[in-house]
This record gives sequence, structure tokens and C-alpha cells, in this order.
Amino acid sequence: SQTIHQWPATLVQPVGSPLSLECTVEGTSNPNLYWYRQAAGRGLQLLFYSVGIGQISSEVPQNLSASRPQDRQFILSSKKLLLSDSGFYLCAWTRTGGTDTQYFGPGTRLTVL
Amino acid sequence: AQKITQTQPGMFVQEKEAVTLDCTYDTSDQSYGLFWYKQPSSGEMIFLIYQGSYDEQNATEGRYSLNFQKARKSANLVISASQLGDSAMYFCAMRGTNDYKLSFGAGTTVTVRA
Repeated sequence: SQTIHQWPATLVQPVGSPLSLECTVEGTSNPNLYWYRQAAGRGLQLLFYSVGIGQISSEVPQNLSASRPQDRQFILSSKKLLLSDSGFYLCAWTRTGGTDTQYFGPGTRLTVL
Repeated sequence: AQKITQTQPGMFVQEKEAVTLDCTYDTSDQSYGLFWYKQPSSGEMIFLIYQGSYDEQNATEGRYSLNFQKARKSANLVISASQLGDSAMYFCAMRGTNDYKLSFGAGTTVTVRA
């Protein structure tokens, strides 16, 4: 069976510091991978998705970037965090093709102070 | 572009009763998929049920069923025999034809009372 991991679970960072959130998927090959952000009490906003190694599509221009260095690894980064980057970050995967159900990881709660 | 509307920000339901969560959508695609997710206080998004636009039968998964009315562009979730553990936020989501991403509604918070 497939599992998706995210770490860290929670993170408190000062404004202007860098960020690296990691997501890995087990039990599948060549998944489509997604990064979402959720503001408190709100729905999900798609940030990035990837259909393969090194292939990143950005949905919303912002202070963040994403990379996919390995087939089942997806990283969300920032060089300098802003207060507005605070939120709950969720990684998700689907099978190759991307039109199946998306399954989500446990999420990372980021607070920027 | 896809748009999902959930008009109920919060609902209370008595334990063992059924509850219906509303979801309407807007799309110009002929083929699309509709999803419901549950988000408990822990934050994880849990997939509940899927309905394809060409599915003739309404989807069911255990205590969850989807009341799909294509002409009205609605995909309401029905939770039968509510349990305390059903207290959570529920999101309706949609994927269009050949679309990699999901568009989410704003969510509905369900609180089950003993």
C-alpha cells in the first residue's frame, strides 16, 4: 500500500529565514505530486504540482519554490519567509496521469513570527 | 476554470442522525470528477468518496453517499447515522477534464452532538 510522509509536523520560523519542507511517497512509482497551502479556517490553495523529476508547475506566483530531486520526493522551499507564508502545508499524490483521487499527507503547520 | 461553492460554513447534527452537506459546482467541462474530503482537527485530509460525471449511479461508501444531480450541478454529501468522530471540516472538490489539480470549496464544519 502507498503512504505519504511529511516533515516536519510543525515549524516556527522567524521572518526572513529559509524554509525547507519535505514530502515523500512510498509504495508507488512516478506519482504526480502536489503542494497545497491552507490558511486558518479556509480551503486549500494549490501552490505547485509535478508530473516527474525536475518538472514543476507553479500555480500561484509567490515567495515559495518547489523541487523534485527524486521520483518520490517533493520539496517546498523559500529563501526568505514572510509573515504571510504562515499556514498549513499539505502534500498530496496521485497515480501517474494525475486524474485519480489525490491522497494527502499529514501536513506541516508553519508559523512565521 | 472550475468553481466549487459550499454555502454552509457550519452545521450541528445529533448523534445517530443523518446530515446533508451542500456542494454546487460550475464547469464547462463535459467530463469531470467530484470528491469529498474530511479534515479532522489533526489536519490530515481524508478522502471519503468520488463521483464521476458520467457515473449513472450515486456513489456510496459505507455511511457516506453522494447525491449527484448533474443538471443542477450539485454533489451533496450525505452522512448517515452520525457519530461523534464525524465532527470535522468537510471539503467538496472537483477535477476537470485532463486536469491535474483539484479545486476546493471553502468547507463546512460539522459538529456532532451526543
